[in-house]
Amino acid sequence: DSGVTQTPKHLITATGQRVTLRCSPRSGDLSVYWYQQSLDQGLQFLIHYYNGEERAKGNILERFSAQQFPDLHSELNLSSLELGDSALYFCASSVKLAGEVGTDTQYFGPGTRLTVL
Amino acid sequence: SQKIEQNSEALNIQEGKTATLTCNYTNYSPAYLQWYRQDPGRGPVFLLLIRENEKEKRKERLKVTFDTTLKQSLFHITASQPADSATYLCALVDGAGKSTFGDGTTLTVKP
Repeated sequence: DSGVTQTPKHLITATGQRVTLRCSPRSGDLSVYWYQQSLDQGLQFLIHYYNGEERAKGNILERFSAQQFPDLHSELNLSSLELGDSALYFCASSVKLAGEVGTDTQYFGPGTRLTVL
Repeated sequence: SQKIEQNSEALNIQEGKTATLTCNYTNYSPAYLQWYRQDPGRGPVFLLLIRENEKEKRKERLKVTFDTTLKQSLFHITASQPADSATYLCALVDGAGKSTFGDGTTLTVKP
């Protein structure tokens, strides 16, 4: 158990809908990262938040948005869902800002499996 | 465009042997490189991190090398065990904290 929790574990929805995925980082971790993993794309970095502020953006679609709240939990919002959005969505956390000396480990949560029908 | 290639999608070796996994990259200047292990249906688990100014890192049976001239990292598992069977991912992280992952290499260690 990494200490990172994600809810829900599974989510089945229809095209055009909007969903929210939730992540609670390990206690004390200020950084939260979101990743998408699909069979044909591998693990793709979406976005990184540090202590409530967006710090790096990857291949995140405009239909997707995220935020990190004062209590450090994070939500990933996916809207106007398409079939191709079906994937595993992982959240990871780490103590410090990525790139800082001493940032050695990202702890991944168990993931949310999203199925868009 | 940035590209990361991990050697062959699958690697099969005999128990007790050393597994060597390769990660090559192009058009990238990473601040550091990480190796992860991922089991089916589960999140990646961090194994080792090596910075651009480091040549080698070790942790128990694991060893990582990083050659920024060749743009290559090698990941070694010595005295491999069937429990080491998993998919291994390399990830490059730039100075802004953006991560780029390879597609992974699936290692099978046969008893």
